[in-house]
Amino acid sequence: GEDVEQSLFLSVREGDSSVINCTYTDSSSTYLYWYKQEPGAGLQLLTYIFSNMDMKQDQRLTVLLNKKDKHLSLRIADTQTGDSAIYFCAETGSGGYQKVTFGTGTKLQVIP
Amino acid sequence: KAGVTQTPRYLIKTRGQQVTLSCSPISGHRSVSWYQQTPGQGLQFLFEYFSETQRNKGNFPGRFSGRQFSNSRSEMNVSTLELGDSALYLCASSLVLENTEAFFGQGTRLTVV
Repeated sequence: GEDVEQSLFLSVREGDSSVINCTYTDSSSTYLYWYKQEPGAGLQLLTYIFSNMDMKQDQRLTVLLNKKDKHLSLRIADTQTGDSAIYFCAETGSGGYQKVTFGTGTKLQVIP
Repeated sequence: KAGVTQTPRYLIKTRGQQVTLSCSPISGHRSVSWYQQTPGQGLQFLFEYFSETQRNKGNFPGRFSGRQFSNSRSEMNVSTLELGDSALYLCASSLVLENTEAFFGQGTRLTVV
């Protein structure tokens, strides 16, 4: 079945860039997503990339996709304390467009 | 416009009981998906409904069921609750079945004692 892996924790200083990495196994993945979850809240879709793209930039967010290595990364430029949250990598693959497989989540801690 | 609304926000039930959770999608959205989030298993897909039909189902026992009404509102039901069913249950809605953007509700925190 599909599997999505992420490191559990990342700590960065305010103003630095954060890079959160993710690997997935489903070679038929169509869309890959990054979600943000703040304490006590639901999931917020940050950005997504279609599998035939290599890169997508959206303001402070840059998504890089290496389809050959099945590796996805999210770069947050000028990280702020408000970026502290859990970030989930996710993909939709052969199970259907809305059957989303999530990674374990990476907890980002931003140190002032 | 209003976001995805899940009710109730918090719920405490006893083992063996059953529970019904509700999700009202964003107005005009027709696809509703349900997810279970636990510390041990992370976020897992439960099922998805579109136009009152279940389109996809995750690997959960038959105690977990759901339905969708003609107004796109959805309910999920868990019967014979077990301690391990304690979780945050999240609902997501999207405009159509193959839409890329799913909007999540705040979730219902279910505690089984």
